[in-house]
Amino acid sequence: AQTVTQSQPEMSVQEAETVTLSCTYDTSENNYYLFWYKQPPSRQMILVIRQEAYKQQNATENRFSVNFQKAAKSFSLKISDSQLGDTAMYFCAFMTYAGNNRKLIWGLGTSLAVNP
Amino acid sequence: DAGITQSPRHKVTETGTPVTLRCHQTENHRYMYWYRQDPGHGLRLIHYSYGVKDTDKGEVSDGYSVSRSKTEDFLLTLESATSSQTSVYFCAISEQLAGVINEQFFGPGTRLTVL
Repeated sequence: AQTVTQSQPEMSVQEAETVTLSCTYDTSENNYYLFWYKQPPSRQMILVIRQEAYKQQNATENRFSVNFQKAAKSFSLKISDSQLGDTAMYFCAFMTYAGNNRKLIWGLGTSLAVNP
Repeated sequence: DAGITQSPRHKVTETGTPVTLRCHQTENHRYMYWYRQDPGHGLRLIHYSYGVKDTDKGEVSDGYSVSRSKTEDFLLTLESATSSQTSVYFCAISEQLAGVINEQFFGPGTRLTVL
């Protein structure tokens, strides 16, 4: 079975500091995509960053970057210079794409609080 | 922002009544999804569609049916609502262009309460 594990249900960080959220996954597929989504209190799901498994270079988006370790099946998210607006639930997900299958497999999320 | 709307945004209904939730997109994306989100369970896929009249079950499809008669609309129906179907329901869309699979874009969600 394909699974995603986020081992940190809750985390907190001081404003302007750096925090890393962990994610591990399990799949027998070689080709897939990985995603981090953010869900603030407004409930809207927002894409933070994505990574194609065939790319060795880690993805970055402004203050957000990932550490993708394919052999270890690990996909952690680093948030630099944390801001109050980063307070949210963060979900890790991956998607394989055999045939018409475009389904995302989701972790249970990490609740991040950024403190002033 | 991707053009996705969900209706209604909030609904309270009684056990045993039928309920239909609508997802409407203006992006002409091929793939559409229905999820439910519950505390402690994250997002769980109910059904998805990979084209008009092409649908498949997700991990929690029992008690739900879907229909997609045109590209822009994906309907989720609870034939006879139960209290266990009280949840927040999200619709999502995605597309594949030039062999690259794009991320899923989400609607604002529908909060359904079954009394």
